[in-house]
Amino acid sequence: GAVVSQHPSWVICKSGTSVKIECRSLDFQATTMFWYRQFPKQSLMLMATSNEGSKATYEQGVEKDKFLINHASLTLSTLTVTSAHPEDSSFYICSATPRVDTQYFGPGTRLTVL
Amino acid sequence: GENVEQHPSTLSVQEGDSAVIKCTYSDSASNYFPWYKQELGKRPQLIIDIRSNVGEKKDQRIAVTLNKTAKHFSLHITETQPEDSAVYFCAASKGGSGYSTLTFGKGTMLLVSP
Repeated sequence: GAVVSQHPSWVICKSGTSVKIECRSLDFQATTMFWYRQFPKQSLMLMATSNEGSKATYEQGVEKDKFLINHASLTLSTLTVTSAHPEDSSFYICSATPRVDTQYFGPGTRLTVL
Repeated sequence: GENVEQHPSTLSVQEGDSAVIKCTYSDSASNYFPWYKQELGKRPQLIIDIRSNVGEKKDQRIAVTLNKTAKHFSLHITETQPEDSAVYFCAASKGGSGYSTLTFGKGTMLLVSP
């Protein structure tokens, strides 16, 4: 139980284009999902909290107009990186909570912006 | 906000030895402390967690201890095996309020030599 999927697993795009990443909870409903960013050899940095049916809550320093989050259903949240630039290249990971507190992570998406 | 410090940053042990990773937290209201294991390029996997109403929890070769007074918690791995080699992250949150964000430590790279 508590399986979270993420798609795509990796993506390469040109600078200036937009990329959408999907996060799905496969065997549970998640009213809340979280989006993290992880640079090589570093810890997970929370970008935003995605709430089904309402606006996402962004962490300080994260541009909400650049990282668009949509939590369309109880099993799906999407992160769109708009007008991507090389500095946006990173490992993006989502997580979801089947119950209070415990977060289960997706496999991550490696984004490379050329 | 919460601040989680994790030590050591790297830990090398021989197979069969024990490994201990320590974390401290700053917010006395934090009450949920999970530990995640992350292999290179993979998702963080929850290996054990503890809540503030418990002082110790054990699951086979893995144990976690919590000292609320001192605001620190530790991960103990006994009889280490090469497959235990990975990066381990501790985290803290104020659970029980609908959803709670995790604050992660910077990680410990554990290397178990055969």
